[in-house]
Amino acid sequence: QLQLQESGPGLVRPSETLSLHCTVSGGSITNSNYYWGWIRQPPGKGLEWIGSVYHSGTTYYNPSLSSRITISVDTSKNQFSLRLSSVSAADTAVYYCARHPVLWFADPGFDIWGQGTLVTASS
Amino acid sequence: IVLTQSPGTLSLSPGERATLSCRTSQSVSSSYLAWYQQKSGQAPRLLIYGSSNRATGIPDRFSGSGSGTDFTLTISRLEPEDFAVYYCQQYDTTPTSFTFGPGTTVDIK
Repeated sequence: QLQLQESGPGLVRPSETLSLHCTVSGGSITNSNYYWGWIRQPPGKGLEWIGSVYHSGTTYYNPSLSSRITISVDTSKNQFSLRLSSVSAADTAVYYCARHPVLWFADPGFDIWGQGTLVTASS
Repeated sequence: IVLTQSPGTLSLSPGERATLSCRTSQSVSSSYLAWYQQKSGQAPRLLIYGSSNRATGIPDRFSGSGSGTDFTLTISRLEPEDFAVYYCQQYDTTPTSFTFGPGTTVDIK
């Protein structure tokens, strides 16, 4: 079965760039029916969608974060990645990667999630 | 689009019925409304997509309904494992984006 696994540093210094990867196993990231997304959750708070990427490299970003984020895909590694620049304490959160279908395939919803990884922005 | 969930906390006993509300600031397509369950320390789990369709493996005690700006998640008879936080989420096409509600906590009375 399809599984997603986040990886990357758990500590990032303020003003630096957060970089995370999500590795897809048990299936191909080139599946044309799905987008691949990032969602975060500050400790004790709710969920915030960051952005999504298609295997072709097409991306959609949260407008509130778009100036600081880059999401990319590496089909050779079956992996997609998040870069968030100029981090501050407000970016401390559990970061999840997840899958959602393209509209012509199914109604949108994140149906498979990684376990999440806590990233703390602190000096 | 802003999502509002009510109540913030719902205190119920096992076996009782839970009714959770999600309201959107603008009318949304019923195809674009989903519900998730999140237990402490775990990733969210998709329960309902397209307002009323249960995701794979979701028990039939969970049901979704609604249209326009008012949507409801109902748990017909609460099981011990259903005490958790529930989020609604809507999808927008212009621009393409997802927004989550603030969540409703269902706890044991």
